[in-house]
Amino acid sequence: EAQVTQNPRYLITVTGKKLTVTCSQNMNHEYMSWYRQDPGLGLRQIYYSMNVEVTDKGDVPEGYKVSRKEKRNFPLILESPSPNQTSLYFCASSLSREGYHSAFFGQGTRLTVV
Amino acid sequence: AQKVTQAQTEISVVEKEDVTLDCVYETRDTTYYLFWYKQPPSGELVFLIRRNSFDEQNEISGRYSWNFQKSTSSFNFTITASQVVDSAVYFCALSEAGAAGNKLTFGGGTRVLVKP
Repeated sequence: EAQVTQNPRYLITVTGKKLTVTCSQNMNHEYMSWYRQDPGLGLRQIYYSMNVEVTDKGDVPEGYKVSRKEKRNFPLILESPSPNQTSLYFCASSLSREGYHSAFFGQGTRLTVV
Repeated sequence: AQKVTQAQTEISVVEKEDVTLDCVYETRDTTYYLFWYKQPPSGELVFLIRRNSFDEQNEISGRYSWNFQKSTSSFNFTITASQVVDSAVYFCALSEAGAAGNKLTFGGGTRVLVKP
């Protein structure tokens, strides 16, 4: 079954404690992205990757890091989480750059930073 | 810069009523793609439809229909004879063909509450 898998689904952490949210896709997609969802703002892109070792900033990259060492994995790293990073996070993958290849989204990770 | 506006933050209807969700977009590209996603209370994003900028045909899928009007930069979504299971947040999104990273720009979402 084609899917994007995120872990964990729920996470509560304390300010400053480094954390990683994993994302894996089994569709051999080139493009992967991270989005955060906040009330009234919809989803906003944090980082994206066009292929292995190729990543770039999206609209709201501050406070986040990513890596793409393997095509299937695209972890999101919060080196020093702060309460304003409390949000619902989604990983997405798509076959190519063109919008006619719809993005597949993971189940979401609800992060709370206290 | 691309932008999507969903002016309705929340709509409440009684079951079997029709409900229309508005979506207005801004883009400078001539080639772009429009999407609707559903987010039920469980939180996942469910893809509903994709439209490219060259295809202005309206589409109907069961109780769902979409009205794409390039002249008004709108891509509205109607649920006919709503059901309780339609209760969710609905997002309209835009992707420009030239956008780096295949970025989707989302509207703020419209919460639909269907009461029995």
